[in-house]
Amino acid sequence: DIVMTQSPASLAVSLGERATLNCTSSESVLYSSNNRNFLAWYQQKARQPPTLLMYWASTRESGVPDRFSGSGSGTDFTLTISSLQAEDVAVYYCQQYYSTPQTFGQGTRLEIK
Amino acid sequence: QVKLLQSGAELKKPEASVRLSCKASGYTFTGYYLHWVRQAPGQGFEWMGIINPNGGRASYAQKFQGRVTMTRDTSTSTVYMELSSLRSDDTGFYYCARARVPEMAFDLWGQGSLVTVSS
Repeated sequence: DIVMTQSPASLAVSLGERATLNCTSSESVLYSSNNRNFLAWYQQKARQPPTLLMYWASTRESGVPDRFSGSGSGTDFTLTISSLQAEDVAVYYCQQYYSTPQTFGQGTRLEIK
Repeated sequence: QVKLLQSGAELKKPEASVRLSCKASGYTFTGYYLHWVRQAPGQGFEWMGIINPNGGRASYAQKFQGRVTMTRDTSTSTVYMELSSLRSDDTGFYYCARARVPEMAFDLWGQGSLVTVSS
């Protein structure tokens, strides 16, 4: 199974500041035939199911604010929130859907400093 | 409104079975695969398996082989997940989530069903 490792486990950022969340996969999730990274990011707010933020590592889901961006390729990925808002407090998970079983990172808890 | 509506909370004793449902609405039921994922208290997510509502073929994570069964009812646009031989470490939230094809991200999640296994 592909192991997904997220860092840091928790992060406190001031309102309006940048938040950078990292995700590393134990194997490449880049599919060479279409040059796509099979990597998604989800946001889970307290007592709610997750919602999809990014897919193909850097494609923003419809309705997601443009302060969220995804980058990276192969095994190393980053989710960036350019200007943290109060409503961004949540746990963020990365997921690889390159191979079965699909696997998730353990999450990064994002809080306001 | 596009949504996945899951069944309510369940309290089960060890060794029992639980059957959860996930009813799709607002989209073509057979046009999307449905995954089941669980989340233990305070933990991350664990993929359990996937079912294709178009035909009913299911595939399970090796960890759950022999204990899980996923089925669907196209007349009610509902998928079911049955987990048997429950243990205390099966306690957690169980989510259904849809994807256009198996190798795509989950663009819609159900609200989750809490399963508690306790004697």
